[in-house]
Amino acid sequence: GESVGLHLPTLSVQEGDNSIINCAYSNSASDYFIWYKQESGKGPQFIIDIRSNMDKRQGQRVTVLLNKTVKHLSLQIAATQPGDSAVYFCAEKSSGYALNFGKGTSLLVTP
Amino acid sequence: SQTIHQWPATLVQPVGSPLSLECTVEGTSNPNLYWYRQAAGRGLQLLFYSVGIGQISSEVPQNLSASRPQDRQFILSSKKLLLSDSGFYLCAWNGRSSYNEQFFGPGTRLTVL
Repeated sequence: GESVGLHLPTLSVQEGDNSIINCAYSNSASDYFIWYKQESGKGPQFIIDIRSNMDKRQGQRVTVLLNKTVKHLSLQIAATQPGDSAVYFCAEKSSGYALNFGKGTSLLVTP
Repeated sequence: SQTIHQWPATLVQPVGSPLSLECTVEGTSNPNLYWYRQAAGRGLQLLFYSVGIGQISSEVPQNLSASRPQDRQFILSSKKLLLSDSGFYLCAWNGRSSYNEQFFGPGTRLTVL
């Protein structure tokens, strides 16, 4: 079946460096993608989204890149801070209202 | 502004006992509502979603059920809990457009013993 997955389960970066979290999806009909941040014991928090008619979208310190040719999504965090430490999930939607979530990448920011 | 509430925050229940988790949304009308379950260290699994009062779609067959008695109220229930029902239960909402991000509640940590 269709799936959403992440290349790396954990990522450790130094404070101030840029972080890149990757996500692969398999459903070519996916037309909407979201990145969420989840801190321990809390609900996921929306970071940024992108529709399939775009290949790049920027927010505050974050950029999402979408490569539909290889079905790849990435989240770039500039100047990573300790508060960015969390689990990051990508999610995709292909039809209807349901989002399909990946397993998550744990980002650890070290001083 | 819109807010979403879940209660209780934590719950410990014996196997075979009933369950009722409640989710309410404030500051919006006619939201789509969702129940997810998250096992430890895992992603989110969609359990149910609702596009209106009394309208429930089930994504995964299981011993759980959902109900939407009011526009902004979504309830997750079980008649008899299983050990495998332990997890972190998250309620979410979004607006009518299917291109709207989902906003999540604080979650309920359920432990079945």
